[in-house]
Amino acid sequence: EIVLTQSPGTLSLSPGERATLSCRASQSLSSSYLGWYQQKPGQAPRLLIYGASSRATGIPDRFSGSGSGTDFTLSISRLEPEDFAVYYCHQYGNSPRTFGQGTKVEIK
Amino acid sequence: QVQLVESGGGLVKPGGSLKLSCAASGFTFSDYYMSWIRQAPGKGLEWVSYISTTTTYTNYADSVKGRFTISRDNAKNLLYLQMNSLGAGDTAVYFCARGNSLDQWGQGTLVTVSS
Repeated sequence: EIVLTQSPGTLSLSPGERATLSCRASQSLSSSYLGWYQQKPGQAPRLLIYGASSRATGIPDRFSGSGSGTDFTLSISRLEPEDFAVYYCHQYGNSPRTFGQGTKVEIK
Repeated sequence: QVQLVESGGGLVKPGGSLKLSCAASGFTFSDYYMSWIRQAPGKGLEWVSYISTTTTYTNYADSVKGRFTISRDNAKNLLYLQMNSLGAGDTAVYFCARGNSLDQWGQGTLVTVSS
């Protein structure tokens, strides 16, 4: 099983600042089948990035994904108030599929 | 528009069974792999299972293997999760999601395992 480790656990930032979230895989991912999801309290997760770097439909361009192999990054260029949430990475190239434990982006 | 609606959750005693459903609309259901993901109260997301378009391939998390069975009815646009031998650790909100990249999610259905 591929273990995904996200860091940091919590990121305390102010609106307008840049956020950088990390997701490290225990083994190299097949064809960068890595997704990033945003979840707000009481809501279902929402896909932000698929294939490590492709933005999902309707996702603002302040969200970007990068990386390959075992190291992946989600960047939010300028935090908007609605971006404060929990973010998860997910690998779907190997079975069983797995999620990271999440990074909470909170208002400083 | 794409819609996924889960149902079938509720309170069940330890050792009991429950069958969840996910009704899909707004897209060609038979074209997509489908998955179940769960989230225990206050915890992170846990992938549970997926099924291929024609049911040829299924896969399960180790935590549910041998107890849960995923299935689908492409004629009715329905996804299912049969859950047996339930324990307290299975208490969670269960989400269904579309495709390999999980690009659309339902709102979830709560399963509570308690005596």
